[in-house]
Amino acid sequence: AQRVTQPEKLLSVFKGAPVELKCNYSYSGSPELFWYVQYSRQRLQLLLRHISRESIKGFTADLNKGETSFHLKKPFAQEEDSAMYYCALPPLTNAGGTSYGKLTFGQGTILTVHP
Amino acid sequence: DAGITQSPRYKITETGRQVTLMCHQTWSHSYMFWYRQDLGHGLRLIYYSAAADITDKGEVPDGYVVSRSKTENFPLTLESATRSQTSVYFCASTERTLVQETQYFGPGTRLLVL
Repeated sequence: AQRVTQPEKLLSVFKGAPVELKCNYSYSGSPELFWYVQYSRQRLQLLLRHISRESIKGFTADLNKGETSFHLKKPFAQEEDSAMYYCALPPLTNAGGTSYGKLTFGQGTILTVHP
Repeated sequence: DAGITQSPRYKITETGRQVTLMCHQTWSHSYMFWYRQDLGHGLRLIYYSAAADITDKGEVPDGYVVSRSKTENFPLTLESATRSQTSVYFCASTERTLVQETQYFGPGTRLLVL
């Protein structure tokens, strides 16, 4: 069965320090992975997806198939980055199939960036 | 963001009572989902729906019932609430384009079962 693991429930860094939120997955095949973020008192929203290979709010995430990881990184953390972060994985589909958003989420990591 | 709404936003109820959480989306997305969010468990899928009148169980469906008579609404009912159902509940829907899917979430409903 597929699984997403975020080993750190809590992560604290100081402003300006690099930050890395870990995500490991188990999946048969080539996955499409996501990072979602939930700021205080706001709804969950998509931060980035690996297939886009983009940087959002200074965050990047690289898919490492050898290590089955999709860690989220930012070189210089900001106080406004404090939030709950979830790594997510869609279900296995047949070739050409689609997940229609039926995602498996990790346990989440609460990031706190101190001034 | 206003395209998917949930009501009520906060609810306190007692064990054994029936509770219905409402979810409404204005995008006409086919797929809709209910998750519960608990510390240490992350988000877990309760039920999902592929279209009106088509629903299916997720990871933790016990004690919950859903219906989807209209595309835009996807209510979640706790038939007889238990304390273990104290949680934050999120409704979501999926937008599908030719190249990707994106899941959008509602603001959540905080439910306390006494």
